[in-house]
Amino acid sequence: DQQVKQNSPSLSVQEGRISILNCDYTNSMFDYFLWYKKYPAEGPTFLISISSIKDKNEDGRFTVFLNKSAKHLSLHIVPSQPGDSAVYFCAASEGGTYKYIFGTGTRLKVLA
Amino acid sequence: GAVVSQHPSWVICKSGTSVKIECRSLDFQATTMFWYRQFPKQSLMLMATSNEGSKATYEQGVEKDKFLINHASLTLSTLTVTSAHPEDSSFYICSAPDKWPPYEQYFGPGTRLTVT
Repeated sequence: DQQVKQNSPSLSVQEGRISILNCDYTNSMFDYFLWYKKYPAEGPTFLISISSIKDKNEDGRFTVFLNKSAKHLSLHIVPSQPGDSAVYFCAASEGGTYKYIFGTGTRLKVLA
Repeated sequence: GAVVSQHPSWVICKSGTSVKIECRSLDFQATTMFWYRQFPKQSLMLMATSNEGSKATYEQGVEKDKFLINHASLTLSTLTVTSAHPEDSSFYICSAPDKWPPYEQYFGPGTRLTVT
């Protein structure tokens, strides 16, 4: 049973435009969400996080939105750059456990 | 930022042998480390939580006798795949938080294990 889902396995975006990556979850006990970026044969790199008490968190070109009622979060990258091309994973943590449940990932390709 | 290293980055072993993978926090102490496994084109699956000075906590379905975890110091955790079989071939990644609560964790570069 996949508790964290990323339904789009891949996404292509033109350089300079907005990239929107989506993530859905089923466990209402999740209270902390993170986005990671991963290159092949490397470990994930932390991008941005959001607590369930917020609905938006911004860090430079990256913004994460959380819709608790819909159990949905999204990562916006504006403007997209070719260096953003990677696999993006969302992850969720259940209160106090600090264990991450990862989504299946979305491969983003930013076209120059 | 905090750095986590893994060694080796790539290992090939014969079926039936054991392989040890090291995970080190280079510039911080980590009382807790996490071990993940990733199959091709799939998500990272948490295998176990490694605790310094105590037994590891394994996720459901993970064989503790097959995947031995030892957290020998505040900067080192090891994962030993015992009696490896081809189905154990995978990408193994560790992570560690540099502060508590460990909401944000730093991942190692991963170890590619191929069992022939």
